[in-house]
Amino acid sequence: AQTVTQSQPEMSVQEAETVTLSCTYDTSESNYYLFWYKQPPSRQMILVIRQEAYKQQNATENRFSVNFQKAAKSFSLKISDSQLGDTAMYFCAFLKENGNKLVFGAGTILRVKS
Amino acid sequence: EPEVTQTPSHQVTQMGQEVILRCVPISNHLYFYWYRQILGQKVEFLVSFYNNEISEKSEIFDDQFSVERPDGSNFTLKIRSTKLEDSAMYFCASRVFLASGKETQYFGPGTRLLVL
Repeated sequence: AQTVTQSQPEMSVQEAETVTLSCTYDTSESNYYLFWYKQPPSRQMILVIRQEAYKQQNATENRFSVNFQKAAKSFSLKISDSQLGDTAMYFCAFLKENGNKLVFGAGTILRVKS
Repeated sequence: EPEVTQTPSHQVTQMGQEVILRCVPISNHLYFYWYRQILGQKVEFLVSFYNNEISEKSEIFDDQFSVERPDGSNFTLKIRSTKLEDSAMYFCASRVFLASGKETQYFGPGTRLLVL
């Protein structure tokens, strides 16, 4: 079974600064996908970024980028130029190739301060 | 941009009552999912549905739960006899069958269920 661990329950960052959220996972699968989802106070789940395990290049989406270390089973999210609207719970999630079930971490609450 | 929609946004029910949560997946998506999130806890997979049948379900998805695609657009989750512990946010998600990014699941805004 796969597990996803987010070791930081809460993080704070000043507006315009950079913050990194950690995620590690455990799997015996060789092909899989990793995701970061954002859950603002409205509690809607919004996809932030995705990474395919067979790609060595780290995914980027505007101010969001990941540091994917397959050997270390690590998948951290970096948010650059943090904005107040980035305040949310962030979930790391794992999906095995051809799988159905997203496995989520416990989440990290990110607070962006002005 | 197409979105997954869910109704109602909030539902309050009495213990033992039946509830039906509704979802309209993105129109060209063929895989459908339900997840739940008890307040303060992680998001948990309930069930996946493809080609009019359940493709996978979790231990949580017991005989009290059922899913249905009654027509070409709706996807429903029924809880037959609600328990206090069913109080949670329920998320519907969907994904395409064949396309670039086919593994990405898109979530609806959720239905907040409160069982009294």
